[in-house]
Amino acid sequence: LAKTTQPISMDSYEGQEVNITCSHNNIATNDYITWYQQFPSQGPRFIIQGYKTKVTNEVASLFIPADRKSSTLSLPRVSLSDTAVYYCLVGENNFNKFYFGSGTKLNVKP
Amino acid sequence: DGGITQSPKYLFRKEGQNVTLSCEQNLNHDAMYWYRQDPGQGLRLIYYSQIVNDFQKGDIAEGYSVSREKKESFPLTVTSAQKNPTAFYLCASSIDTRTGGNTEAFFGQGTRLTVV
Repeated sequence: LAKTTQPISMDSYEGQEVNITCSHNNIATNDYITWYQQFPSQGPRFIIQGYKTKVTNEVASLFIPADRKSSTLSLPRVSLSDTAVYYCLVGENNFNKFYFGSGTKLNVKP
Repeated sequence: DGGITQSPKYLFRKEGQNVTLSCEQNLNHDAMYWYRQDPGQGLRLIYYSQIVNDFQKGDIAEGYSVSREKKESFPLTVTSAQKNPTAFYLCASSIDTRTGGNTEAFFGQGTRLTVV
């Protein structure tokens, strides 16, 4: 399984765009990149998943460069409610396991 | 409402006792998982099950046991052999990811276990 590296924490202010980058130098050809969000004392929630280039949904965008050795989760115009831990997962979808690292703790300030 | 339910939300256990955490899902998912989360840490996989009557050890299975007698249920027993059981326990389910395609794990709200 590809190892991922994320910043431990980030600070932002309401209304700003936040970009969280994840490094995964050993990503394999069949690996997908998935991001989850977790609030305190709750289970993680799926945000977005992609394989290459750019994926966008109603809450976030995921940018993946051509070499796929990193990915960036972009949260537009964050609010206080976006304060959470964000996890980057890399792995094949056919392994029936989801490996979570320590994640990035995002603190949004007023 | 479709979803995954864990109970109880809070659980207290005396040292030396076994305790069972409940996890039920009505999403018709084949795969189910148990994770442990310690304060300020990520999630670590305890056990997972791809199909009824089958389960596999994760990274930290020692001191835990599971069963999968029904598709909807995947209870976790924390035994007295688990030396440091105080933690936040999360159950999840997904489609059988071996079928390929985009997948996501759906999580319950967790059970916070405290040894007293």
